Amino acid sequence: DAKTTQPTSMDCAEGRAANLPCNHSTISGNEYVYWYRQIHSQGPQYIIHGLKNNETNEMASLIITEDRKSSTLILPHATLRDTAVYYCIVRDVNDYKLSFGAGTTVTVRA
Amino acid sequence: DTAVSQTPKYLVTQMGNDKSIKCEQNLGHDTMYWYKQDSKKFLKIMFSYNNKELIINETVPNRFSPKSPDKAHLNLHINSLELGDSAVYFCASSQRGQAFFGQGTRLTVV
Repeated sequence: DAKTTQPTSMDCAEGRAANLPCNHSTISGNEYVYWYRQIHSQGPQYIIHGLKNNETNEMASLIITEDRKSSTLILPHATLRDTAVYYCIVRDVNDYKLSFGAGTTVTVRA
Repeated sequence: DTAVSQTPKYLVTQMGNDKSIKCEQNLGHDTMYWYKQDSKKFLKIMFSYNNKELIINETVPNRFSPKSPDKAHLNLHINSLELGDSAVYFCASSQRGQAFFGQGTRLTVV
């Protein structure tokens, strides 16, 4: 029941911005866009979430299109430690189910 | 001070044995989860509890029995372990959509 589509993998140069796309064309009005990442052998880590406005925190920025059918996670200055699988998840904030798809494997190269 | 802690971190056991994995969160969250991540790296939700009540059971074999003695704890007991149970098991807790994960328990059944 995948609600999101992400590229399987992408490479990024260290120090450059990494732009991770996510399509969620069937998103409903109550659903937020969440981003998590999983660094090798660790538990998933929350990054950011948003409803319709763009959001920024110390880790990343989230850009959501006006029609909310897609979004982009931006890591402004990628480091080697940002190498991870990044998951885009669409979810109602009151939904108890948090489902992960295949995600995007991001490799940051020196 | 770890937010979500699981024990043990590693567990190696023989087929047919019964084992438990413990999870504790100190975040005051109402909702807790168990996830399984197999060798193909897909994160699958197994159970979700809210205020000690089972909310989601994703067709997990009844050899797996979660137990929530209080809101801060969600333990996973597994009976009659099988080779296919080998995986990394993650516990998580959430409040209003943002989830925090433990570091995982790597279970190896031999």
